[in-house]
Amino acid sequence: AQKITQTQPGMFVQEKEAVTLDCTYDTSDPSYGLFWYKQPSSGEMIFLIYQGSYDQQNATEGRYSLNFQKARKSANLVISASQLGDSAMYFCAMREGSYNTDKLIFGTGTRLQVFP
Amino acid sequence: ETGVTQTPRHLVMGMTNKKSLKCEQHLGHNAMYWYKQSAKKPLELMFVYSLEERVENNSVPSRFSPECPNSSHLFLHLHTLQPEDSALYLCASSHGGSRETQYFGPGTRLLVL
Repeated sequence: AQKITQTQPGMFVQEKEAVTLDCTYDTSDPSYGLFWYKQPSSGEMIFLIYQGSYDQQNATEGRYSLNFQKARKSANLVISASQLGDSAMYFCAMREGSYNTDKLIFGTGTRLQVFP
Repeated sequence: ETGVTQTPRHLVMGMTNKKSLKCEQHLGHNAMYWYKQSAKKPLELMFVYSLEERVENNSVPSRFSPECPNSSHLFLHLHTLQPEDSALYLCASSHGGSRETQYFGPGTRLLVL
């Protein structure tokens, strides 16, 4: 079974509108972390936001927020007030387990296109 | 100097060539990673180095050989590659640990002819 599922291969949003990118995950480990990265066409993976499994509040970073629903195992990324520069691939990733586990498991990504 | 740099940015090589990819991090991190990103596939972790020791090797073919001479530098030596090895190779670094974010370089786009 896939550990990270991103069901939206592509999304369109108009500039200044909000958009939600979906991510569901599968783990039996009580301790895990969830990450979102942005990858523009240049190729670099840019870290956006992190949510720990024990964090009490949803993570926020500027225009990015994470809608963390633990019981449903979903960690959707919400981008508010979209900008043209937000057009990129977006990847959800998970790290399972203990301190010594550094392995990130990525989803297949969602391509977001922001239009004027 | 930007956080994680990679050279070269683009590489074309034949199947009999030997080349090396270089990664350098300026963030004071102690863990470094190589990932492979092929078209329409999720990123695949290849190698993890923590404190210059290899701690993960995800069943990567021996034609890929990593080297980590110190905590700031990571190399990926390539020899007798196959066309299916064409991909974007991304380097990342972190402080290590379950809450630590991995920061990525811009990647090397490799084409094997």
